[in-house]
Amino acid sequence: LAKTTQPISMDSYEGQEVNITCSHNNIATNDYITWYQQFPSQGPRFIIQGYKTKVTNEVASLFIPADRKSSTLSLPRVSLSDTAVYYCLVAFDTGTASKLTFGTGTRLQVTL
Amino acid sequence: DTEVTQTPKHLVMGMTNKKSLKCEQHMGHRAMYWYKQKAKKPPELMFVYSYEKLSINESVPSRFSPECPNSSLLNLHLHALQPEDSALYLCASSSRPGQGFQPQHFGDGTRLSIL
Repeated sequence: LAKTTQPISMDSYEGQEVNITCSHNNIATNDYITWYQQFPSQGPRFIIQGYKTKVTNEVASLFIPADRKSSTLSLPRVSLSDTAVYYCLVAFDTGTASKLTFGTGTRLQVTL
Repeated sequence: DTEVTQTPKHLVMGMTNKKSLKCEQHMGHRAMYWYKQKAKKPPELMFVYSYEKLSINESVPSRFSPECPNSSLLNLHLHALQPEDSALYLCASSSRPGQGFQPQHFGDGTRLSIL
């Protein structure tokens, strides 16, 4: 059964690095892993996307091991404005098609 | 500001009403998506349109009827909904189907309440 799990919540102080892991099995071999940020009453916003190894952009890094059974979003030096829910999005290979599935979501709370 | 515009932002309707949700993007994207999101849950994929053709229907009840009149517009027609259909309905688009190098851009959703 295709399943994507994340920690329900995480707490951090401002200025710290936060790592959020998404565990997923049987993801489609030719699809990417994407991470989104969502604030209340808004749609998800794209953060970063990768296929394997490490990807870095101006706001985050994404680490994907060779077996692609998990991925870790790294947010360097978080601020209060990073308080949000973070989701991974993967495509599961169902044999006939790819099924897009969001992870369970991680609620990040950043405090002073 | 989001590049995917959804209207209305809020909608309250009775179980016997017929209403439509609208989504518009002008990024030239050829894949468009409808998601349903319940409170404190992740979005769940409902439909995918690829080049204006319905390509994925995730076993959604027929009281939800999608329509893609052209490459910029996506509608979701609602009829005889149930109270459990109350949720945030999100529209998204990507340059073409599939995830590779094509992240989805989301609108801010329509908050739907069924009385």
